Amino acid sequence: SQELEQSPQSLIVQEGKNLTINCTSSKTLYGLYWYKQKYGEGLIFLMMLQKGGEEKSHEKITAKLDEKKQQSSLHITASQPSHAGIYLCGADITGAGSYQLTFGKGTKLSVIP
Amino acid sequence: DGGITQSPKYLFRKEGQNVTLSCEQNLNHDAMYWYRQDPGQGLRLIYYSQIVNDFQKGDIAEGYSVSREKKESFPLTVTSAQKNPTAFYLCASRRGATEAFFGQGTRLTVV
Repeated sequence: SQELEQSPQSLIVQEGKNLTINCTSSKTLYGLYWYKQKYGEGLIFLMMLQKGGEEKSHEKITAKLDEKKQQSSLHITASQPSHAGIYLCGADITGAGSYQLTFGKGTKLSVIP
Repeated sequence: DGGITQSPKYLFRKEGQNVTLSCEQNLNHDAMYWYRQDPGQGLRLIYYSQIVNDFQKGDIAEGYSVSREKKESFPLTVTSAQKNPTAFYLCASRRGATEAFFGQGTRLTVV
């Protein structure tokens, strides 16, 4: 079974619209990381969340961590074509100080001009 | 500039052959990782290493082997025992419980 579940699997939005991607863990989260990937390329780091209730923003992207729900959300405001790509959440879920970094299956985002 | 380098970008292998993918980092990171990415599957962990001369199996280690003789290098060998090796392979490194840095990937195709 997948330890990190992302939803939705894919998303098509009109430029200018807001959107949210969710990442839910079946285990305790010790650190949660959001990445973006263009097809056929490496992953670009977006944000890291470590404490329950933590919220971080960068430009039009905001990520939150709900420790009790073992869930994180990534929200994009006023989407642009440059936001298109695959968004992946990764987490340390095998224990504090563990080096085993696990990823979800990703959410493919398309932004229509 | 500091970073993580994977080579080659594209690799073709005949069935029954072993092939080695290179991953080098000059970030002085202790931990290094190998992931496999298939369409719709996200990243699946093959092997990871926390320190030199030590490594652990990930979720899909069968048919793969690694070595960690130097801190900077973590090569991955795809053996003939791997039944479906065609995929996109990503290497990463990080220091402790911080964000991982990724290479640009190697696309392996079996011909």
